[in-house]
Amino acid sequence: SYELTQPPSVSVSPGQTARITCSGDALPKKYAYWYQQKSGQAPVLVIYEDSKRPSGIPERFSGSSSGTMATLTISGAQVEDEADYYCYSTDSSGNHKGVFGGGTKLTVL
Amino acid sequence: EVQLVESGGGLVQPGGSLRLSCAASGFTFSSYEMNWVRQAPGKGLEWVSYISSSGSTIYYADSVKGRFTISRDNAKNSLYLQMNSLRAEDTAVYYCARVYGSGPDYWGQGTLVTVSS
Repeated sequence: SYELTQPPSVSVSPGQTARITCSGDALPKKYAYWYQQKSGQAPVLVIYEDSKRPSGIPERFSGSSSGTMATLTISGAQVEDEADYYCYSTDSSGNHKGVFGGGTKLTVL
Repeated sequence: EVQLVESGGGLVQPGGSLRLSCAASGFTFSSYEMNWVRQAPGKGLEWVSYISSSGSTIYYADSVKGRFTISRDNAKNSLYLQMNSLRAEDTAVYYCARVYGSGPDYWGQGTLVTVSS
């Protein structure tokens, strides 16, 4: 079955740039979505269709995709950005079967 | 304002059944595809099922195929997940989520399903 691979953890100091990667064989043909999930809360969409930012999401959140890797970048990470981040995409078969990456714990301290 | 409110979770014995509901408001429900996503305690997100806006196209994760059934009632602005033959590994918070493009955008707050004797 199709898989998306993320690093388990990323750690940065406040004000630094955090980069979280997501690799998957179908990413050259399929969009990546990124979600932020804080403890005890529902996920929140922070990036859709590789690089688009929903309204209300701070400009420090950006996304990119090249080849088999998508990247979520948080420029000038803040303490409140500490959370779990998940990438999401669909497989290459043309259906809508989704898959999430395993998640990355971002620590900002 | 988009709102998704799940209900129907609870404690059920292994082999039992449960029906989850998701009430949608704040958008034209009949125009959107929908997903169910779950999260086991302390674990990551797992995509469960997809349904097209009309209900004519449906997909399931291999882990639930043949046991779970997704459906919708556009007249009632509601999404459902019928879960049969439940197992301990189905214990999770279940979220309904609206699909925008090819992925979820808005999520409900979730409903907890616990499968235990």
